[in-house]
Amino acid sequence: SQQGEEDPQALSIQEGENATMNCSYKTSINNLQWYRQNSGRGLVHLILIRSNEREKHSGRLRVTLDTSKKSSSLLITASRAADTASYFCATRGGTSYGKLTFGQGTILTVHP
Amino acid sequence: EPEVTQTPSHQVTQMGQEVILRCVPISNHLYFYWYRQILGQKVEFLVSFYNNEISEKSEIFDDQFSVERPDGSNFTLKIRSTKLEDSAMYFCASRGTVGTGELFFGEGSRLTVL
Repeated sequence: SQQGEEDPQALSIQEGENATMNCSYKTSINNLQWYRQNSGRGLVHLILIRSNEREKHSGRLRVTLDTSKKSSSLLITASRAADTASYFCATRGGTSYGKLTFGQGTILTVHP
Repeated sequence: EPEVTQTPSHQVTQMGQEVILRCVPISNHLYFYWYRQILGQKVEFLVSFYNNEISEKSEIFDDQFSVERPDGSNFTLKIRSTKLEDSAMYFCASRGTVGTGELFFGEGSRLTVL
């Protein structure tokens, strides 16, 4: 697999449920970021976790990072229909501040 | 809230034609990027630009591509002679000098090459 692979590829849940998306990567990273993309729209930054951090929270979002397993997870609690979107993890390695390597993404559908 | 704006939102062109995609980054940002997303595929890095020069580019960014910051506000991507496989959504992004390194993306320009 390539850098930044998410699973599942698609996730369908009911409003109010939690959604968990996973991301795996292959090379060492400086940080890992999660972005959201509504259909046909641009990417919106959600949260960033540095390589020396293990967990981070932002509102209903919780991100974990396990550098030993080269994996991260994004948890969205109490999901809403408006959370329906594609979610991408992106990794930054080395000293490049802008070269992000994106995963294939998880398509999340939240049913009202 | 400041945002990155891109024009055109959609461009249809014939193979072999030149295309210029335009971006207005957030005004106090200094780092600029182009990414692309072929339909159904990953978002791919093309190029980063800082201090009026390319700081990094990917293998995709060959001699057919060029970037320019012609004035203090615009950032352009030119594809000299478009190919069918250049059909994609092209995203411009910018980043400031402070903060965590998050990129601010525009809404994208969809390029269709016929």
